[in-house]
Amino acid sequence: GAGVSQSPRYKVTKRGQDVALRCDPISGHVSLYWYRQALGQGPEFLTYFNYEAQQDKSGLPNDRFSAERPEGSISTLTIQRTEQRDSAMYRCASSLAAGTYPYEQYFGPGTRLTVT
Amino acid sequence: GQQVMQIPQYQHVQEGEDFTTYCNSSTTLSNIQWYKQRPGGHPVFLIQLVKSGEVKKQKRLTFQFGEAKKNSSLHITATQTTDVGTYFCAGYAAGNKLTFGGGTRVLVKP
Repeated sequence: GAGVSQSPRYKVTKRGQDVALRCDPISGHVSLYWYRQALGQGPEFLTYFNYEAQQDKSGLPNDRFSAERPEGSISTLTIQRTEQRDSAMYRCASSLAAGTYPYEQYFGPGTRLTVT
Repeated sequence: GQQVMQIPQYQHVQEGEDFTTYCNSSTTLSNIQWYKQRPGGHPVFLIQLVKSGEVKKQKRLTFQFGEAKKNSSLHITATQTTDVGTYFCAGYAAGNKLTFGGGTRVLVKP
């Protein structure tokens, strides 16, 4: 079946502009995660949802970053007033459920954000 | 906060040789997952370890979870060119937040 999809795949924006990154998880997956991955580094947790409820946003760097998943499926990560330091690969992942032990996460291809 | 460290950062290995990569957490983990990321690709789940001292094998890959649940290792035997990529360990300490290590980038010399 279809995997996790993200759009756009590449986004170049000017400093100060707002950007919205979209994630479409695997159908039926309860949990959705956002990560940021710098080149040569591991994914860094940003936030996650169970259904439409944001469970943990402790990884969001500052209040310019926000995320929503209003209907428990598609999620949007929004960065306001972008800065050059926001340039990175933004990855979304989904998992079937969150039980006693977390399930495996399925990652999307990522959105490469470049702020000029 | 929780930190997960992996060594070595780079592993150059001759095709056919064995090697081990290590993962260490600053806190006790409830479980640990391993992912592989091919060049230009995204992380792909390999395995999850839950129990203290647990050992799991996948063909030429052997994964181990330490007795204290603060470290893990991945051992690959008879390395092949298909093993090229970056291997990440990722641990859960509490809640549903996964903390990734920096990865071990594996380069295979034919």
